[in-house]
Amino acid sequence: GAVVSQHPSWVICKSGTSVKIECRSLDFQATTMFWYRQFPKQSLMLMATSNEGSKATYEQGVEKDKFLINHASLTLSTLTVTSAHPEDSSFYICSARRILFGEQFFGPGTRLTVL
Amino acid sequence: RKEVEQDPGPFNVPEGATVAFNCTYSNSASQSFFWYRQDCRKEPKLLMSVYSSGNEDGRFTAQLNRASQYISLLIRDSKLSDSATYLCVVNDVTSYDKVIFGPGTSLSVIP
Repeated sequence: GAVVSQHPSWVICKSGTSVKIECRSLDFQATTMFWYRQFPKQSLMLMATSNEGSKATYEQGVEKDKFLINHASLTLSTLTVTSAHPEDSSFYICSARRILFGEQFFGPGTRLTVL
Repeated sequence: RKEVEQDPGPFNVPEGATVAFNCTYSNSASQSFFWYRQDCRKEPKLLMSVYSSGNEDGRFTAQLNRASQYISLLIRDSKLSDSATYLCVVNDVTSYDKVIFGPGTSLSVIP
């Protein structure tokens, strides 16, 4: 099956620092990648849709200046949480959609804790 | 009305039982449908795509009714390892290819 990696798997940082999360599709190309956030016992919340070579499309209520997304290639998208605060602590999951097929494959997630 | 709705759950069933999950979607332009499962504190994993003609994969059967905008997942002979949250996913290609997840239905299979 298609594999998506995500790095780092967990991170603890101080309030005010920026954290960068990488999402890679390892054995397939993905023109579209998605970034989600999930709080405990809640469903996935789509934050933004990232298309290779163009600006990301953010969902309502998600600050684009706080959550910077770069999709530089067909296999890599990055999410940078700028000036992180404790309320940004969450499980961040990326997914990549395989060209022509439509299924999404998820990375293992990054657990962010902001102190 | 939410874009994708699922049975609220949780479902607690004995091993060997048959359990059915229901999902409805509001946008008739939706074109692709999937079932994912998510284990606690893990990422969602694709269980199966849902085709118009219905499809089966072992103990799992998915059905799609476009007229009623309804999707179902049937699990036969439940195993303990089936315990997870099942997510209904709808892909609407008319809206910048937006993907919408249902809230999920939790299943616990009891020995």
